[in-house]
Amino acid sequence: QQQVKQSPQSLIVQKGGIPIINCAYENTAFDYFPWYQQFPGKGPALLIAIRPDVSEKKEGRFTISFNKSAKQFSLHIMDSQPGDSATYFCAASIYRGSTLGRLYFGRGTQLTVWP
Amino acid sequence: EAQVTQNPRYLITVTGKKLTVTCSQNMNHEYMSWYRQDPGLGLRQIYYSMNVEVTDKGDVPEGYKVSRKEKRNFPLILESPSPNQTSLYFCASSLVGTPGNTIYFGEGSWLTVV
Repeated sequence: QQQVKQSPQSLIVQKGGIPIINCAYENTAFDYFPWYQQFPGKGPALLIAIRPDVSEKKEGRFTISFNKSAKQFSLHIMDSQPGDSATYFCAASIYRGSTLGRLYFGRGTQLTVWP
Repeated sequence: EAQVTQNPRYLITVTGKKLTVTCSQNMNHEYMSWYRQDPGLGLRQIYYSMNVEVTDKGDVPEGYKVSRKEKRNFPLILESPSPNQTSLYFCASSLVGTPGNTIYFGEGSWLTVV
């Protein structure tokens, strides 16, 4: 059973466009939602993360929007660049006390930004 | 330099021949984990460890073993590899504590079982 559902599977945008990647979850106990960026031949790297007590978080050109009632969250990339071409994974986790529990990943979105 | 180191990076082996993929981190992290990445399936957690001698199953633990005898090392053991374990494997680590601790991933180990 897929704990986190991610769409689309692939996305192509022109430079300067705003790609949006969406994720949905069912488990209301999840309370930590990171996004990871992975370049070919590399391991995933944390891009940005959000807790459910806020509806939006921005870091540079990357923004997470969070809708707790709909159990959805999304990544927006403003002014996208060819260097943003990568695979993006959303994830969700439950913090048990002060520890990071299991991390459930979406299936990934392969983003291509054309120059 | 803070890093998670996996070895081997590339391996072709035969069905049934035991193998170990090592993972080591130099950041004194308590939490370590193994994932496998398959096309269209994303990253799936195999095992994780909150600290020395504490391990727990992830989503796809069948066919794998782990041990955590030292804080820095978290080897992944395939006792009798099968072709369906052909995959890209990632080790990861992080501190435990306040939310937002970054999980650091290794560069991956490509494993092919023939």
